[in-house]
Amino acid sequence: NAGVTQTPKFQVLKTGQSMTLQCAQDMNHEYMSWYRQDPGMGLRLIHYSVGAGITDQGEVPNGYNVSRSTTEDFPLRLLSAAPSQTSVYFCASRTFRGGKNIQYFGAGTRLSVL
Amino acid sequence: AQKITQTQPGMFVQEKEAVTLDCTYDTSDQSYGLFWYKQPSSGEMIFLIYQGSYDEQNATEGRYSLNFQKARKSANLVISASQLGDSAMYFCAMREGPDTGNQFYFGTGTSLTVIP
Repeated sequence: NAGVTQTPKFQVLKTGQSMTLQCAQDMNHEYMSWYRQDPGMGLRLIHYSVGAGITDQGEVPNGYNVSRSTTEDFPLRLLSAAPSQTSVYFCASRTFRGGKNIQYFGAGTRLSVL
Repeated sequence: AQKITQTQPGMFVQEKEAVTLDCTYDTSDQSYGLFWYKQPSSGEMIFLIYQGSYDEQNATEGRYSLNFQKARKSANLVISASQLGDSAMYFCAMREGPDTGNQFYFGTGTSLTVIP
């Protein structure tokens, strides 16, 4: 009963380093998304995908890349980390198949950029 | 303009009492969805309740109900019979557009503390 799995849970980077935040879901959901959560600002959408091979930008896409080669995986890449990217990152998924299209969230990745 | 506004940064409620968390939204779309999520201190985001813009009745899920007033563009969360475990951050969110819409907006959250 894994749902949405994010790795790592914590990460510290130096300015300019690159890294990939991993996200996987086992619910065969079409839609996956990445959010960042900053103090006092709620969650903001970074990028999303409506299926394998299809991605698009959200509200705050700058500094982040994504790709969706499979239904299950949706990694988020930071090519050159900046202190402004210090945040908590959440991955979420949902299905378009009927229902209330509820988004299910992973446990989050806490990233610090020094 | 903010898409989702939560005007109560912090709220306190006595155990077993009811509490209302406020949420107003801004959209010109006729079709949209409204959500409430709970974020305990452990950090995960837990779905609580959903209201579609065309739903005529207010949504209810156990002790949670959503007071949907479309003309006022408000979607307040009511928690009845508060429990200590309800202490958490609560986020109101909106999906703008139809069910297949991709733009989601979150409010800044309300911190709820339940007092024994």
